[in-house]
Amino acid sequence: QSVLTQPPSASGTPGQRVTISCSGSSSNIGSNYVNWYQQLPGTAPKLLIYSNNQRPSGVPDRFSGSKSGTSASLAISGLQSEDEADYYCAAWDDSLDGYVFGTGTKVTVL
Amino acid sequence: EVQLLESGGGLVQPGGSLRLSCAASGFTFSVYAMSWVRQAPGKGLEWVSAISGTNGGTYYADSVRGRFTISRDNSENTLYLQMNSLRAEDTAIYYCAKLLCTNGICYRGAFDIWGQGTVVTVSS
Repeated sequence: QSVLTQPPSASGTPGQRVTISCSGSSSNIGSNYVNWYQQLPGTAPKLLIYSNNQRPSGVPDRFSGSKSGTSASLAISGLQSEDEADYYCAAWDDSLDGYVFGTGTKVTVL
Repeated sequence: EVQLLESGGGLVQPGGSLRLSCAASGFTFSVYAMSWVRQAPGKGLEWVSAISGTNGGTYYADSVRGRFTISRDNSENTLYLQMNSLRAEDTAIYYCAKLLCTNGICYRGAFDIWGQGTVVTVSS
């Protein structure tokens, strides 16, 4: 059972802004960086955001991340059909001495 | 081209063993921490284990500690995961992943390169 909680689903029409939340605790999000991954159907995950709000080279600036206290968020602005995927937050957990992923959010483009 | 290629997956009976391999190319393997991440059918991602690039320190998820062993051969640019006492709940796609390091800083848990995955099925 994951210690990072995300909504199971989110949706929007093309061009809209969608936000995904990730709730944790003081031992993970509260004291460590948050990373976000995108997983398209049938493919390996792709790093989307690292260190709370940094984008790896090649990731469009439509994707942005933020963190406040023990929660984090991923925002997708200008939603596109190719953004339809599963999204996971992740962070190191000091109590578990290990890395934890969120429960995952399926984004649907209507 | 930076690439990771897993192998070694297959069908194994409960209680059995399997060794996964991950061949790395296109980067200086020895300096990077590496991890294994798995995904059970229809489920989310689960971090399994990690190993540092330099001192060989290892980390495990509670669900596999004592049963799985991560190791690396820097001379062969290969990462391994020895899995013993396998259970049905270990059935998953197993991915190896490379830690992101940029401008001299490595970001714990940020995996910028992933393999295509290898399937492990534990069933009688």
